[in-house]
Amino acid sequence: QVQLVESGGGVVQPGRSLRLSCRASGFTFSSYGMHWVRQAPGKGPEWVALIWHDDSYKFYGGSVEGRVTISRDNSKNTLYLQLDSLRPEDTAVYYCARDRGGDWPRYQFDYWGQGTLVTVSS
Amino acid sequence: DIQMTQSPSSLSASVGDRVTITCRASQSITSYLNWYQHKPGKAPKLLIYGASLQSGVPSRFSGSGSETDFTLTISSLQPEDFATYYCQQNYITPYNFGQGTKLEIK
Repeated sequence: QVQLVESGGGVVQPGRSLRLSCRASGFTFSSYGMHWVRQAPGKGPEWVALIWHDDSYKFYGGSVEGRVTISRDNSKNTLYLQLDSLRPEDTAVYYCARDRGGDWPRYQFDYWGQGTLVTVSS
Repeated sequence: DIQMTQSPSSLSASVGDRVTITCRASQSITSYLNWYQHKPGKAPKLLIYGASLQSGVPSRFSGSGSETDFTLTISSLQPEDFATYYCQQNYITPYNFGQGTKLEIK
């Protein structure tokens, strides 16, 4: 079965960096676009970033553009999110999610991980 | 940006009830609307994409609507349906979600 397991969250000071990972299993990882979605406490989810199945395109949400980098290693079935210049408002649970469209992203998230919590605080 | 507004924000209902949750977009998104279920500590789950039921989702869930007004209906609530539900538009970036509707046991 499809599994997505995030890791790398924790407490970090404002201005510092963090790299999140998402290990995928149960499907052909290299055939799917992958996303990061985050959810701040008490708010709805927010789409963060997409990377195409073959790393050919990357797209970012407006609130994080310029401060995050999405990447993937298809040989390791792993998705990454590099978070830089972190701010308190970046505090959230970060989820990786698979795009239902496979190699043509539709921005519909058919499988999600359980998330990893990032807390930005001094 | 397109804003997604759900109502109500919370709802109390009983097992067996028919429940409807509404999602309104601030501008037309044609039929590019999806629904998710989220239980605490669990991975969110895709229920409906466009007008289609995701594979494995019970048929008591259905979605309808177009342009700016959409509904998620659960025809007969089951104990496992108590959760928070989110709508999400995939018409144009940023692909915003609603703020959620928490469905609680009466």
